[in-house]
Amino acid sequence: NAGVTQTPKFQVLKTGQSMTLQCAQDMNHNSMYWYRQDPGMGLRLIYYSASEGTTDKGEVPNGYNVSRLNKREFSLRLESAAPSQTSVYFCASSKYRGTYEQYFGPGTRLTVT
Amino acid sequence: RKEVEQDPGPFNVPEGATVAFNCTYSNSASQSFFWYRQDCRKEPKLLMSVYSSGNEDGRFTAQLNRASQYISLLIRDSKLSDSATYLCVVNFLTGNQFYFGTGTSLTVIP
Repeated sequence: NAGVTQTPKFQVLKTGQSMTLQCAQDMNHNSMYWYRQDPGMGLRLIYYSASEGTTDKGEVPNGYNVSRLNKREFSLRLESAAPSQTSVYFCASSKYRGTYEQYFGPGTRLTVT
Repeated sequence: RKEVEQDPGPFNVPEGATVAFNCTYSNSASQSFFWYRQDCRKEPKLLMSVYSSGNEDGRFTAQLNRASQYISLLIRDSKLSDSATYLCVVNFLTGNQFYFGTGTSLTVIP
């Protein structure tokens, strides 16, 4: 049981390049999330998917797109990377057990030069 | 105003000490509350959910005060392995909007 996996672990992009961050979970969770974490800012929600086939914007969606490919996979795409998108990106999934408990992947460290 | 606010610390305490962290939240419609632990350059990991009546898990005790809109985490008999950043997390009515505090840094000193 791998939990939540993310690829790649590290990435360096030049301004204007595009890339897709991949996330998969094997816990049969309905909900999945993408966050970014910046120093002094805490984790901020970019997009989430409450169930397969649905996606919604979070707090900081500008510059990103997402795809919920199936129940397991939720990808995040940067169409034209900017230095302001340099961050650590975490994917998470959650299940409802009275409350929604989230489980995180190991993160992707992205640098945009 | 931030949705969730925490004292960033750092808290430096000796082994065996008791330490407490507080966290305040701004939205009275908040429904669920959590403490996560994050080690340096790692992902956040769920430490415990916080229930209305308060709850305990070994050396860790979490309390919720809805009237004053704060939650707390108490760590007793601190261990070196407790050194980490502790994140306060609040979940609103929709069930899928989570707000994270910036974290409180704890270092337990031998």
